[in-house]
Amino acid sequence: ETGVTQTPRHLVMGMTNKKSLKCEQHLGHNAMYWYKQSAKKPLELMFVYNFKEQTENNSVPSRFSPECPNSSHLFLHLHTLQPEDSALYLCASSQGTSGNTDTQYFGPGTRLTVL
Amino acid sequence: GQNIDQPTEMTATEGAIVQINCTYQTSGFNGLFWYQQHAGEAPTFLSYNVLDGLEEKGRFSSFLSRSKGYSYLLLKELQMKDSASYLCAALDSNYQLIWGAGTKLIIKP
Repeated sequence: ETGVTQTPRHLVMGMTNKKSLKCEQHLGHNAMYWYKQSAKKPLELMFVYNFKEQTENNSVPSRFSPECPNSSHLFLHLHTLQPEDSALYLCASSQGTSGNTDTQYFGPGTRLTVL
Repeated sequence: GQNIDQPTEMTATEGAIVQINCTYQTSGFNGLFWYQQHAGEAPTFLSYNVLDGLEEKGRFSSFLSRSKGYSYLLLKELQMKDSASYLCAALDSNYQLIWGAGTKLIIKP
């Protein structure tokens, strides 16, 4: 148990569906992250939030829409996804804002399958 | 470009020692992390090195050579529960984490 929870753990959706992934951290951290993990590939950073403000958007397609209502919660809204978006989506949090060496703590991920 | 290289897969025997290597090429360097990830679970933090040398933490040790752009994770007295993927990640000059694809470690009895 890392103090970061994600729901759902598994999600199967069609290309026309709309769904949301949820992440919650119980560590009192100020920064939260969304990553995409595909088999045999490095983790891909998608979005970073510091104190609820988005500070990174690594050229992610607009069919992925993040939302950070407060420092403890992070959402990833999904719509009109493609089969190549099937992957493990990991949420992480860290104590400080960007520009530091703080360790990131990860949730267990949501295994997403797009049909 | 920035790049992290680590072996895709390694096999070792229970009770033995294994060394997982990682080489990095980054724009600037602010330290190197190792994470362990069991199948279907969250990556969990193992170590952080920013100075040259070996840091020991129980059965796990991590080494860094900044001049060579090289790190390794050393696992001693291997146990079956050590079967997992091990992720190497370097912090660049902008404090962005550059990740390797991970090394899948298989432990055999």
